Order: sequence, then C-alpha cells, then structure tokens
Amino acid sequence: GAVVSQHPSWVICKSGTSVKIECRSLDFQATTMFWYRQFPKQSLMLMATSNEGSKATYEQGVEKDKFLINHASLTLSTLTVTSAHPEDSSFYICSARDIDTTGELFFGEGSRLTVL
Amino acid sequence: ELKVEQNPLFLSMQEGKNYTIYCNYSTTSDRLYWYRQDPGKSLESLFVLLSNGAVKQEGRLMASLDTKARLSTLHITAAVHDLSATYFCAVVLNNNDMRFGAGTRLTVKP
Repeated sequence: GAVVSQHPSWVICKSGTSVKIECRSLDFQATTMFWYRQFPKQSLMLMATSNEGSKATYEQGVEKDKFLINHASLTLSTLTVTSAHPEDSSFYICSARDIDTTGELFFGEGSRLTVL
Repeated sequence: ELKVEQNPLFLSMQEGKNYTIYCNYSTTSDRLYWYRQDPGKSLESLFVLLSNGAVKQEGRLMASLDTKARLSTLHITAAVHDLSATYFCAVVLNNNDMRFGAGTRLTVKP
C-alpha cells in the first residue's frame, strides 16, 4: 500500500520552544492531509485538515496560532507546535488521502512529542 | 455532530475464544474502517467497508457493515495472543473527515 512518512518519530523539547513535524506521502500525491493527536490510552482526535495550496481547516477547540499547518506541495504537510508546553506532549499522527484511489487514508508512523 | 461509539472499551479474553466488537455511528456514512494499533505505534489498516452488507475477512478477524443500522462489527474467531492490541473503527463523513471510535483494548490471555 501507499506509504506516509513522518519525521521525526519522537522529539523532546524544552517548554517555550517550537517543534516542526513533517508528513510526507512517498509514492502518491495527496491534496488533503489530516493531523491527529492522541493522548495516552485515548483515541485519535482530529486537529485539522490540511489542504494543498490553501489554509488548513481546524477543528473546534484547536488553536490555529499554536498549531501551524502548512501544506505547500502535494506530498508534504508540516505541523509546527509553537511555544510548546508540557500539556502539548502527545502522539501526533498524520494521514494522507491518495487522490487517485477511492479515498482511503494512509497513516504515518506517528511522532511522539514530549515537552519538558 | 457525528458520534462513533465502540463497545466494549476493554476486552480480556482467553485464547481460542470468540468475541465481537461493535461500532455504532450516528449519521449517514458509506465508508467505515477498522484499524489496529499496537502500543507506541501508528495505525495499521485492517478493513475498509464500502457498502451495506459488506463483509471482509482476514485470518481470525471478520468485519461487517450494516449502513441501515449504522453498525459495524469486528468478529474475532479463536483468539490468539498476537491479536492483543487496540482496535479502532473510523467513519468517514461527507466532507471526507474521518472520525474515530474510542477504541477497544483487547488482551488475549493464554
């Protein structure tokens, strides 16, 4: 199946710093990518929908100024957690939809963020 | 607002036994997915169900979809320890957003 790569796999940063997570579709083009957050022992919660060439659509309660999303190409979306705090520590997962298929989503490996 | 409810949330079962996980959703959708997640890992796609009455089987797992009842089931046959994981169902909305159930944490004991 199609491959979605996330980088980094895990990151530890100090409180107040910003962290960028990349999501790449390796062998297909994705006009739409999704960013999810998963806290321990909980389900995935959709944070935002990233659309290539346009602004992301954020879910209610997600601060768009804190979680900056950029989808500059058909194969890359980035999530930047700005001024990270310990409560932002979580497992962040992206998914991408192959524009040429029935719309199945392919998930990245996830990025574990720990903010000290 | 779409609600996706899984039942049960936690499941402990003996090897060799059968069990069914249920996924109910609150609004019309014709696409439902089942995923497996191991601790610390991302999601592994198990099944994509695209139409009413769809049934798919892979090994000891079988998934079905009843769009009229807004219900999907994931049936486990003769469970083995390797099936221990968290299983999520996910429903696709008309705008192509995907919403997840809370997950069912399955533990299969020898």
